[in-house]
Amino acid sequence: DSGVTQTPKHLITATGQRVTLRCSPRSGDLSVYWYQQSLDQGLQFLIQYYNGEERAKGNILERFSAQQFPDLHSELNLSSLELGDSALYFCASSKGGLSGNTIYFGEGSWLTVV
Amino acid sequence: DAKTTQPPSMDCAEGRAANLPCNHSTISGNEYVYWYRQIHSQGPQYIIHGLKNNETNEMASLIITEDRKSSTLILPHATLRDTAVYYCMPGYALNFGKGTSLLVTP
Repeated sequence: DSGVTQTPKHLITATGQRVTLRCSPRSGDLSVYWYQQSLDQGLQFLIQYYNGEERAKGNILERFSAQQFPDLHSELNLSSLELGDSALYFCASSKGGLSGNTIYFGEGSWLTVV
Repeated sequence: DAKTTQPPSMDCAEGRAANLPCNHSTISGNEYVYWYRQIHSQGPQYIIHGLKNNETNEMASLIITEDRKSSTLILPHATLRDTAVYYCMPGYALNFGKGTSLLVTP
């Protein structure tokens, strides 16, 4: 158990809909990361937050948005869903140090768009 | 991000040592090298990290060359459960790259 909690574990929704994925980081971790992994694809970095502020942005679509709340939990919002958005979405957390730091991943949220 | 190069795939017999190489010639002087692995569809798992010296923990050993341009992750006695994709990453990196797919065979 990494200490990173993601909900829901599985989600099935229709095209055009909007979903919210939730992440609780490890206790004491200030950084939260979101990654997308499509079937047989590598991990694609989406976005990072540090203590409530956006720190880095990767290949995140404009239809997707994220935020980190004062209690440090984070949500990833996916809107106008398309079939191609079906994927495993991982949240990860770290302390956020400047010399590099260990990233701990949750078990992921499986999203299926039908 | 500093660029890393890893072989796409490797095989290892169960019980033998698995040596996974990584080139990271552009890594900066104060940047750690991290290794993670991902067992199919699970969240990536931290294995080990190091800066200059060799490191060992209960999972693996990490050998970093003196010039810090490359490193090798060693799984001393590979088991079938070690079959996974292994990622080498500089500490500042956010992108995991393609990693090495290690297949441990009976």
